[in-house]
Amino acid sequence: QLQLQESGPGLVKPSETLTLTCSVSGDSVSNYYWSWIRQSPGKGLEWIGFIYYTGSTKYNPSLGGRVTTSLDTSKNHFFLTLNSVTAADTAVYYCARRIQPGSSPVFVFDIWGQGTLVTVSS
Amino acid sequence: DIQMTQSPSSLSASVGDRVTITCRASQNISPFVNWYQQKPGKVPRLLIFSISRLQSGVPSRFSGSESGTDFSLIISSLQPEDFATYYCQQTYTTPWTFGQGTRVDIK
Repeated sequence: QLQLQESGPGLVKPSETLTLTCSVSGDSVSNYYWSWIRQSPGKGLEWIGFIYYTGSTKYNPSLGGRVTTSLDTSKNHFFLTLNSVTAADTAVYYCARRIQPGSSPVFVFDIWGQGTLVTVSS
Repeated sequence: DIQMTQSPSSLSASVGDRVTITCRASQNISPFVNWYQQKPGKVPRLLIFSISRLQSGVPSRFSGSESGTDFSLIISSLQPEDFATYYCQQTYTTPWTFGQGTRVDIK
């Protein structure tokens, strides 16, 4: 059964770079599209971006070009990098699998990691 | 960006009540609407995709419908385990966006 696990620093200083890892187990990272989603404390959900093993990526413009994603097939991991963080980037960060279930054209996030809280503070 | 305006932001209901949560999209996005449930401290769970199709394992008391650019999640008979926050989502076009959430708590 596919499982996802986020890891990374719980505390990042303002203006620094945040890097998170999502470890994939139970299937190959090459088989699906993967997304990052975040949730600020007490707030709703914000889609950050997606990546496919071919290198195809798409990001939310709300992040102002500060985000990149990458993937390591040898380790079965994928990554999120967010530059120039501010307090507004404090959130729980989730990695998730994106699929099109059945014959539907719709994209969904059907499997999520447990999430990792990142606090931006000096 | 496509805006998903969800209402109400919160509601109180009793076990056995019929509950309806609505999302209004800023443009036509059918059928690219999904619903997620999130319990406190837990991960969002996919309930419904493509407006009305139930994800595997989701009880049949959950259903979805549309009327123009309004999309609804209906819980036909609220159960104790349904007290949670519910989010709609559009995947018609990036950036994929979520509604602000509806918290369902016990009356």
